[in-house]
Amino acid sequence: QQQVKQSPQSLIVQKGGIPIINCAYENTAFDYFPWYQQFPGKGPALLIAIRPDVSEKKEGRFTISFNKSAKQFSLHIMDSQPGDSATYFCAASSGGSQGNLIFGKGTKLSVKP
Amino acid sequence: ETGVTQTPRHLVMGMTNKKSLKCEQHLGHNAMYWYKQSAKKPLELMFVYSLEERVENNSVPSRFSPECPNSSHLFLHLHTLQPEDSALYLCASSRKRGGPGEAFFGQGTRLTVV
Repeated sequence: QQQVKQSPQSLIVQKGGIPIINCAYENTAFDYFPWYQQFPGKGPALLIAIRPDVSEKKEGRFTISFNKSAKQFSLHIMDSQPGDSATYFCAASSGGSQGNLIFGKGTKLSVKP
Repeated sequence: ETGVTQTPRHLVMGMTNKKSLKCEQHLGHNAMYWYKQSAKKPLELMFVYSLEERVENNSVPSRFSPECPNSSHLFLHLHTLQPEDSALYLCASSRKRGGPGEAFFGQGTRLTVV
């Protein structure tokens, strides 16, 4: 059973476009939702994260939108650049003893010049 | 450089070999993790260590054997692996297990079983 569903699997946009990656979760106990960015040959690195008490968080060109009632959250990349080409993973975790991160399958983003 | 170092970066081994993956973190974290990353699959959590105690083993076959001698080092001992075990093995660490917090990943070991 996949607890965090991520879509699309791959995405191609032109430079300056706004790619949007979506994730949906099932476990209402999740209370931390990070996005990780992974370049080829590297491990994932934390990009931005949100808690369910806010509906949006922005850091530079990256924005997370969070819809608690729909149990969905998404990553938007404003003014995308070729250097943003990477695989993006959403994840979720809950506090307490079950706090391990559950990852989505990943979205391979390609930003064309 | 994330502060989590994995060696080797690449490993090719036969099904009858025994090898070990090493992970070292310099961040003062007290939780360490092994993940398996296969193509088109989510990152799969394999093992969790908190304060050197294994607190989770997600139904991982016994041919994978973790070891955490101290809070800075984590090993994954491999023996009699199968070709389907070929994957990127990622180590991560965090300040504490349980509760939200940033996990720092190493660059991974690309394992190929022949």
